[in-house]
Amino acid sequence: GDSVTQMEGPVTLSEEAFLTINCTYTATGYPSLFWYVQYPGEGLQLLLKATKADDKGSNKGFEATYRKETTSFHLEKGSVQVSDSAVYFCALKNRDDKIIFGKGTRLHILP
Amino acid sequence: ETGVTQSPTHLIKTRGQQVTLRCSSQSGHNTVSWYQQALGQGPQFIFQYYREEENGRGNFPPRFSGLQFPNYSSELNVNALELDDSALYLCASSLAAGVRTEAFFGQGTRLTVV
Repeated sequence: GDSVTQMEGPVTLSEEAFLTINCTYTATGYPSLFWYVQYPGEGLQLLLKATKADDKGSNKGFEATYRKETTSFHLEKGSVQVSDSAVYFCALKNRDDKIIFGKGTRLHILP
Repeated sequence: ETGVTQSPTHLIKTRGQQVTLRCSSQSGHNTVSWYQQALGQGPQFIFQYYREEENGRGNFPPRFSGLQFPNYSSELNVNALELDDSALYLCASSLAAGVRTEAFFGQGTRLTVV
């Protein structure tokens, strides 16, 4: 079945460091890809999305590019802030209209 | 435009009891999905409702059931609660069914079964 694999955390970085969180997927057809962020005690917020191959999603300095050839959707940010500390989920939406999530990556940013 | 709202925010139930969780979808959204997020895990799809009909179900037993109302709000019912049902339950709404449409999530209901 369809699945999402993302790098395990926690990831700990210093403020202003470069961030990469790896995500790969397995899916039949042409899924849409998403990154969601979850702050402590809260629900999920959509961070960015891409709906077809080579699309780049971006928001709040975060970027991810839909790479069909490598089935990847890695999340990047050039300079992280303490306020970026959260859990990040990579997800796909498949042809059955289900959203399938990875297990999440906890990010800690140190001042 | 109001977002997705869920009630209650927290709930404690005893094993064997029944629980109803509620979700008001974002204005104009006719599709609602429910997810279960166990501690430290990603959300798992329970089921989806589109225009008051169940439109897909994940790997959850029949004691998990739902409803969608004409105003597109929704309920999740869980019977015969088990300790493993303790989780954050998330509701998501979208403008329509379809692979390209975004889903917007509520803040969730934290259910604890003791």
